[in-house]
Amino acid sequence: QKEVEQDPGPLSVPEGAIVSLNCTYSNSAFQYFMWYRQYSRKGPELLMYTYSSGNKEDGRFTAQVDKSSKYISLFIRDSQPSDSATYLCAMSASRNSGYALNFGKGTSLLVTP
Amino acid sequence: GAVVSQHPSRVICKSGTSVKIECRSLDFQATTMFWYRQFPKQSLMLMATSNEGSKATYEQGVEKDKFLINHASLTLSTLTVTSAHPEDSSFYICSARVGPSGANVLTFGAGSRLTVL
Repeated sequence: QKEVEQDPGPLSVPEGAIVSLNCTYSNSAFQYFMWYRQYSRKGPELLMYTYSSGNKEDGRFTAQVDKSSKYISLFIRDSQPSDSATYLCAMSASRNSGYALNFGKGTSLLVTP
Repeated sequence: GAVVSQHPSRVICKSGTSVKIECRSLDFQATTMFWYRQFPKQSLMLMATSNEGSKATYEQGVEKDKFLINHASLTLSTLTVTSAHPEDSSFYICSARVGPSGANVLTFGAGSRLTVL
């Protein structure tokens, strides 16, 4: 079993829809959780960063972490065509465990006008 | 915010030649940089960790003689693909850690697409 599982999609939604992207993981030592957005032929850019459990909101984006279920989510409200990209979840354990960052395979999102 | 600049963005070379990719931290010092490789529709695969002033740490299965990493200063790391072959064609991305102490939050360069003919 891979440490981080993410449905690759593709996920297609109409403009204005609420998008839910998810990852599951198996390593209970993970404490840092990130979502990256990657446009085609570009490097990933950091969208959200969360430490431990809880919610974090930034504009139209909300990140949720449920450590008891080993499940993280990214919600996008009022989705726009410009949100069309691949979304990668990433997570890591504490610094004492090294710098390894574990990525999901990414979910391809298409927001249609 | 912290910016990682990566060049070239795209390179095409003949089989057997060597290609160098540069990664610079523009407004911060990066004692550690990471080099990733990404195949189409696949996730990022960590190749090596580049440490300023010391040897890079390579992940299992990555040929250190094929992928030479140099981190000569606090703002520059380079990846040289030596004697490149078509199977080395891929998207190479560097990154640096910018999160608060203890956090592994990375910022990435724009990536370099290598095509070996």
